Amino acid sequence: NAGVTQTPKFQVLKTGQSMTLQCAQDMNHEYMSWYRQDPGMGLRLIHYSVGAGITDQGEVPNGYNVSRSTTEDFPLRLLSAAPSQTSVYFCASSWGTGTNNEQFFGPGTRLTVL
Amino acid sequence: GEDVEQSLFLSVREGDSSVINCTYTDSSSTYLYWYKQEPGAGLQLLTYIFSNMDMKQDQRLTVLLNKKDKHLSLRIADTQTGDSAIYFCAEGEYGNKLVFGAGTILRVKS
Repeated sequence: NAGVTQTPKFQVLKTGQSMTLQCAQDMNHEYMSWYRQDPGMGLRLIHYSVGAGITDQGEVPNGYNVSRSTTEDFPLRLLSAAPSQTSVYFCASSWGTGTNNEQFFGPGTRLTVL
Repeated sequence: GEDVEQSLFLSVREGDSSVINCTYTDSSSTYLYWYKQEPGAGLQLLTYIFSNMDMKQDQRLTVLLNKKDKHLSLRIADTQTGDSAIYFCAEGEYGNKLVFGAGTILRVKS
């Protein structure tokens, strides 16, 4: 299994540009989520999905859209990038329930918005 | 709202024990987690504790939970240079919608 994969690893955008961060998992996990990590702060939840066709907002959803058309993929869209969105983005997946419900994290996408 | 707080930095000598502390606010959390992040990498689950437990031991790792004070700690015995990383405390109900602390940078001096 590849686990959770994210592309690209690095990206530089200009203010106002749009882009999609890709996330895929091959573990048949129902639950997927996107976090952003900023210096001196913990990871903050942007959006999450409890299954295909179902998404919901996390703590910091503004400026981001998501969709979940398949179990495997959970892309994160920035419609009009802003410098405040410069961050490291992590995608995670889990079964959703279970003994410990470990969340598996991807390697991250480092995004810089100029 | 939910909040998780950790000390930002800890420095220990190789072979000593490390203790990383965390306080949280949400008493309904089912699980409490410790994640490790090495430079340039994603987060890796180290260990977790169910909210009705007081202690959990897993090889060199010992987790203590004081529910009354909402205090969680991670003890690493015989700390090695490979343990140098950022350690995140997190809380969540059934592991979903995790709330993370800001992370504790552990530096191990040889």
